[in-house]
Amino acid sequence: QKEVEQDPGPLSVPEGAIVSLNCTYSNSAFQYFMWYRQYSRKGPELLMYTYSSGNKEDGRFTAQVDKSSKYISLFIRDSQPSDSATYLCAMSDGNKLVFGAGTILRVKS
Amino acid sequence: NAGVTQTPKFQVLKTGQSMTLQCAQDMNHEYMSWYRQDPGMGLRLIHYSVGAGITDQGEVPNGYNVSRSTTEDFPLRLLSAAPSQTSVYFCASSLSADRGVYGYTFGSGTRLTVV
Repeated sequence: QKEVEQDPGPLSVPEGAIVSLNCTYSNSAFQYFMWYRQYSRKGPELLMYTYSSGNKEDGRFTAQVDKSSKYISLFIRDSQPSDSATYLCAMSDGNKLVFGAGTILRVKS
Repeated sequence: NAGVTQTPKFQVLKTGQSMTLQCAQDMNHEYMSWYRQDPGMGLRLIHYSVGAGITDQGEVPNGYNVSRSTTEDFPLRLLSAAPSQTSVYFCASSLSADRGVYGYTFGSGTRLTVV
């Protein structure tokens, strides 16, 4: 079983929709949680960073961490075609960083 | 300010050939690492370094060597290329040696095909 599970998609939504991307994990030692966005043929770029449980909001993006359920989410409000990319969750216990396989998101105009 | 620079962007190798993928960062980051990205597998750690002169193995180190003689550079060497090493390779760096505590800065990748 992988330490981090992420639905690969693809997820296709109309412009303006609310998008929910999710990851589950098995290692209870993970404390640092990140979301990376990767455009086609580019390297991943850090999008959101949260420590421990709770919510963090940045513009149209909200990251949620539920450590009791070992579940993290990224919400995108008012999705735009420019949000079309692969979204990777990542998490760390301070000694290693583990990535999910990534979810492909397509926002149709 | 270039961030993390990887060269080459594309490479085709024949089975058995060797080559070096270059990675350089200009942010004075302590931590540098190499990942490979394959469909459905996500990013897998090959080797990493927490500072000049210090390297260690990641999840999939076989067939690869690294060295870190300077803070800025972290080359990845393929000793004898195999078709299974066909992948996209990313170099990533971080300010802190506490792996994953801070976000990583990634290069734009090297697409390697071994025939």
